[in-house]
This record gives sequence, structure tokens and C-alpha cells, in this order.
Amino acid sequence: ETGVTQSPTHLIKTRGQQVTLRCSSQSGHNTVSWYQQALGQGPQFIFQYYREEENGRGNFPPRFSGLQFPNYSSELNVNALELDDSALYLCASSGRGLYGYTFGSGTRLTVV
Amino acid sequence: GNSVTQMEGPVTLSEEAFLTINCTYTATGYPSLFWYVQYPGEGLQLLLKATKADDKGSNKGFEATYRKETTSFHLEKGSVQVSDSAVYFCALLDQTGANNLFFGTGTRLTVIP
Repeated sequence: ETGVTQSPTHLIKTRGQQVTLRCSSQSGHNTVSWYQQALGQGPQFIFQYYREEENGRGNFPPRFSGLQFPNYSSELNVNALELDDSALYLCASSGRGLYGYTFGSGTRLTVV
Repeated sequence: GNSVTQMEGPVTLSEEAFLTINCTYTATGYPSLFWYVQYPGEGLQLLLKATKADDKGSNKGFEATYRKETTSFHLEKGSVQVSDSAVYFCALLDQTGANNLFFGTGTRLTVIP
């Protein structure tokens, strides 16, 4: 079975720009969650999507938005980038009701 | 609310030494508990889990026991190897809402030959 794949692996953006990160969930998983991991910190929950609808959100502003597609892949969009948005963004997929979350390798976003 | 507190690192051990990484949690309900490992340049890998009090999770020589009375989930390994060098994260699963994970800040382990 394929795991969770994220693209791109690295990205450099300028403050004020917009960015889209992509995630393909593991086969058979219908729930996708996004996390932000700042340098030296643990991952922080951004939001979760289940069956194409947002199913919970952490303490992140509305300029962080997402989508989930019928094939359960997902996008994370961040508008008006700020320097503090520089982080590793992790996508995790799971089957509903299961305890196992499979994480991707992440996208390293640098905002300059 | 939910939170996880981990022993601060970094931790440096010699090969074959005993490892303990402390983790305590605060939760509103009865969470499931996890240890994840992150190798350099990679995402998170599930190391072990426990879903209810007194459960013991184990994998690759690592163990952790869900202690409800002390709200703890300490990670242990009897004999570490150089290949265990990584960052270890304790996490709890909030099952009251979106089933999202709450992570500790991570503990970096370096094992020297």
C-alpha cells in the first residue's frame, strides 16, 4: 500500500504571498489532518477534513484554509504569508474511527 | 484542555544504556496515548500506542505504560542503539472532537557508540 505523499518537499516564499501545499492520503484512508511543526517544537493541529468537509480546527487564523477532494487527497492554502509561517507542514491520513495516523514526510516552507 | 508535557532534552546516551523519556498529560476525557519518532529530514512514525489505562504499548524494544493515576506515559528502552537517535514525541488523541493529536515539544535522543 502507498503511504502519505506530500508535495513539494521544500518551498521558499516571500512575505505576503500565497502558498498551496498538497497531500495524497494513504489508500483506504478517508480523513486527512494538517499539522504545523515549527523548528524545535511539536506539531500543532491546523484542521482536519473528512468526506470533503472540515471536521475540526485548531487555533489558526482563517488565512489557513483547506480542501479535500473526492479521492481524499487534500490541499492546505495559506494566504498573506508571514515570517512566522515558516515551518514543516505535515499531513496525516487515517481511516475514520481508527487510531492509526500515517504521516507524510512534510513540506518545509520558508517565508522570507 | 488537552496538553502534553515531555522531559526536555537533548538526551545523550552511550550505546546499550537504559533510556527513559518522561511524558505526562492533561486531558478532559480518556485519551489514547502515543509515542512518535522523527528521524532527521523525515515525517513522524508511530512507535507505539495505548488506548486505555494500564495498557502497555511496545515496539522495537521500546515500551510505555498508560498510567491514569499519575497521568503519565513514560517511554523506556532497556538497551539503546545508535540507530535509535531521533526526536521522540509523546502525543494524546482527543476523541471528543475532531480526533486530533496533541503533541509534546519532543525530546532529541543521541546515542553514541
